[in-house]
Amino acid sequence: DAGITQSPRHKVTETGTPVTLRCHQTENHRYMYWYRQDPGHGLRLIHYSYGVKDTDKGEVSDGYSVSRSKTEDFLLTLESATSSQTSVYFCAISVDANVLTFGAGSRLTVL
Amino acid sequence: QQQVKQSPQSLIVQKGGISIINCAYENTAFDYFPWYQQFPGKGPALLIAIRPDVSEKKEGRFTISFNKSAKQFSLHIMDSQPGDSATYFCAASGGSQGNLIFGKGTKLSVKP
Repeated sequence: DAGITQSPRHKVTETGTPVTLRCHQTENHRYMYWYRQDPGHGLRLIHYSYGVKDTDKGEVSDGYSVSRSKTEDFLLTLESATSSQTSVYFCAISVDANVLTFGAGSRLTVL
Repeated sequence: QQQVKQSPQSLIVQKGGISIINCAYENTAFDYFPWYQQFPGKGPALLIAIRPDVSEKKEGRFTISFNKSAKQFSLHIMDSQPGDSATYFCAASGGSQGNLIFGKGTKLSVKP
């Protein structure tokens, strides 16, 4: 997953606590995405960004917010984590919104 | 109309056999159809992609067949190997839908 780093890779937290996942890229790609992957649901888009401070909602955005203050960083925040947000979260980057390069994933468990 | 329906959910193939995964879409504005491959514990990676101006694209043992009139496309893996065991996702984008929409995935197991 050269050029894209997700942190933390694993996190266990409790219901009601805030959580922030970070995606960092060194490719200078314009587009950045956050997906969640759950069994039986495939990859679902949470939020995406098409430039610094330019973000938009995806298919499953409720309960999540994002920020992109620099080209290289895209943060996903769960303001008050719920058990339904237990999932594997993938960040992806793209130069043209077609070919996506995914990170290694962040596994979040909300107890 | 924005969905991409993928089947089967899981597939077991003997080594050397042909693996076939199918996807169907509704939105006729879609004009880009990639397949992603995901190994356990890793992120998905682009495997092969096709645009609707061609009916088939081949890269090594992997072939995409595209049927525009039926709004279907499929991935064929020839001479399947145990190392091909992974989850495969089809996707589509185009028109007003700028972001990729993914199918739900197919878990392929290739038995030695």
